[in-house]
Amino acid sequence: GAVVSQHPSRVICKSGTSVKIECRSLDFQATTMFWYRQFPKQSLMLMATSNEGSKATYEQGVEKDKFLINHASLTLSTLTVTSAHPEDSSFYICSARINGEETQYFGPGTRLLVL
Amino acid sequence: AQKITQTQPGMFVQEKEAVTLDCTYDTSDPSYGLFWYKQPSSGEMIFLIYQGSYDQQNATEGRYSLNFQKARKSANLVISASQLGDSAMYFCAMRDLNAGNMLTFGGGTRLMVKP
Repeated sequence: GAVVSQHPSRVICKSGTSVKIECRSLDFQATTMFWYRQFPKQSLMLMATSNEGSKATYEQGVEKDKFLINHASLTLSTLTVTSAHPEDSSFYICSARINGEETQYFGPGTRLLVL
Repeated sequence: AQKITQTQPGMFVQEKEAVTLDCTYDTSDPSYGLFWYKQPSSGEMIFLIYQGSYDQQNATEGRYSLNFQKARKSANLVISASQLGDSAMYFCAMRDLNAGNMLTFGGGTRLMVKP
């Protein structure tokens, strides 16, 4: 299957700082990537759809100014959590789909802890 | 609107036995895709199997098979010959063709394989 990477895998930051998470498709191009958030013992919740070369589409209740998404190339999407607060602590995971295929391939996820 | 339901929050199975994880869905779209993902404690989402709404045969991938009953709107995952490494969270998901192919996830089932 296709390979999607995320960096960093784990980050601890102070409240008020911004954190950038990268999602890369390593062996394919992805015009669309997806960002999910997962709280402990819960399912994945879609935050936004990242579209290469255009603005991201955010799900209801997700603040676009809080979670900045940039999809500058066909292999890279970034999620920046701005002015992070402890309630932003979560597992963030991205996925990408090969154009024309059904399956979404997921990155390994990023565990964010805001102190 | 779509809805994915996994009614089993947790299940035990004896090693080497088969187990069925339930998934029901609700959609008004005639064209959709159903996925199963495995999430071990490390957090990564591992794609297991895919079933398209128009596929005539049930999908199979090694020890995984999908019992697709379209009229009942169910897509249960069957794992044969369970192994200790199968212990993980399992998520059923549906692709929304009308929403940029985003995935909607069920609440998940934690499978524990007993030696």
